[in-house]
Amino acid sequence: RKEVEQDPGPFNVPEGATVAFNCTYSNSASQSFFWYRQDCRKEPKLLMSVYSSGNEDGRFTAQLNRASQYISLLIRDSKLSDSATYLCVVNRNTGKLIFGQGTTLQVKP
Amino acid sequence: DTGVSQNPRHKITKRGQNVTFRCDPISEHNRLYWYRQTLGQGPEFLTYFQNEAQLEKSRLLSDRFSAERPKGSFSTLEIQRTEQGDSAMYLCASSSPTGTQGTDTQYFGPGTRLTVL
Repeated sequence: RKEVEQDPGPFNVPEGATVAFNCTYSNSASQSFFWYRQDCRKEPKLLMSVYSSGNEDGRFTAQLNRASQYISLLIRDSKLSDSATYLCVVNRNTGKLIFGQGTTLQVKP
Repeated sequence: DTGVSQNPRHKITKRGQNVTFRCDPISEHNRLYWYRQTLGQGPEFLTYFQNEAQLEKSRLLSDRFSAERPKGSFSTLEIQRTEQGDSAMYLCASSSPTGTQGTDTQYFGPGTRLTVL
């Protein structure tokens, strides 16, 4: 079993839709949590950090549930440019990032 | 461009050959990481430097792999006697400490895509 699990999708949604991605992690020692975005054949880029209190950045909202070891990302009013792979990432404060498989989003016109 | 740079961007080699990749981190970032990514998977951690010290190595890093960061600036990753299973994207990232190791943001380079024939 992988330490970080994500549904690989693909999620195919129309423009303007709201879409949610979920992720679970198995190591309770995980301390920091992130969502990274990766475009096709490009490097991963930090989308947002995830905090227990929940955090929002424009159309993006991230939530962390430590008790359930569950992380989510909500994208509202999807744009064509949101099409990418979204990587759920945890860090046990050892420096290295542990990535999920990634969830592919395709926003259609 | 002051981001992380990697060279070469693409490398095609025959099985059994040695290859070396270079990573130049963001200036003054003292932490440097190597990851490997295969198709359809997320990146997997390989190794990590703080300045010139290699602090952690993954079990994925077999004896054929070696990484160095001799002056605490750029880093090289060498793969000896390449195998077809080594075909992947090799990503480098760097970060500057903002507190605990878990909170600093890692910035990734564009990667080196290795194909072993």
